Amino acid sequence: QSVLTQPPSVSGAPGQRVTISCTGSSTNIGAGYDVHWYQQLPGTAPKLLIYGNSNRPSGVPDRFSGSKSGTSASLAITGLQAEDEADYYCQSYDSSLSGSGVFGGGTKLTVL
Amino acid sequence: QVQLQQSGPGLVKPSQTLSLTCAISGDSVSSNNVAWNWIRQSPSRGLEWLGRTCYRSKWYNDYAVSVKSRITINPDTSKNQFSLQLNSVTPEDTAVYYCARSRGHLDYWGQGTLVTVSS
Repeated sequence: QSVLTQPPSVSGAPGQRVTISCTGSSTNIGAGYDVHWYQQLPGTAPKLLIYGNSNRPSGVPDRFSGSKSGTSASLAITGLQAEDEADYYCQSYDSSLSGSGVFGGGTKLTVL
Repeated sequence: QVQLQQSGPGLVKPSQTLSLTCAISGDSVSSNNVAWNWIRQSPSRGLEWLGRTCYRSKWYNDYAVSVKSRITINPDTSKNQFSLQLNSVTPEDTAVYYCARSRGHLDYWGQGTLVTVSS
């Protein structure tokens, strides 16, 4: 299984707010490594959504926000839209794996 | 704008070597403040970081523990690209392979290459 733990699925109605958690440990998120989030639409490569825990790249709507606390991080999406239906992944690094990059298992967001 | 264009075969026989190339435009493989990564994705293993190469006055490579004995990532400065070689492949190595640039976060990705390991 993945080093970082995410819920397999979340759902919400249009306009609602949803959050996706990413739980790690003292060797990755808890060690101070930044958490990054990616959105993956079917058949496409992952796209950077949030970097450095809470920063949005240019072009990403401010409906998307990220936070980190202790050994966990969260992605929040407000004003849910149909186009937000996708898979979401968190990513960090892990000192117990010689600094290797590590991913969460992914969360499927369904817009009802 | 950085673009990464992947190339390589989509079918590899068991025990042989998987080889992919990632051509870079809009940046240099020798840039001092980025790294060049390979990542794969399969239904059974999810997203898996495989390794990276970067230039910091000299070349450095980091590899995932899971593939460290079988993987090589090489930069090619003459063609501004980098490559992945994965030896002794098995059907478990069947996946979509991505190259990506990183500055901590993976900000630019290649289009992905489905590689199937089968006889």
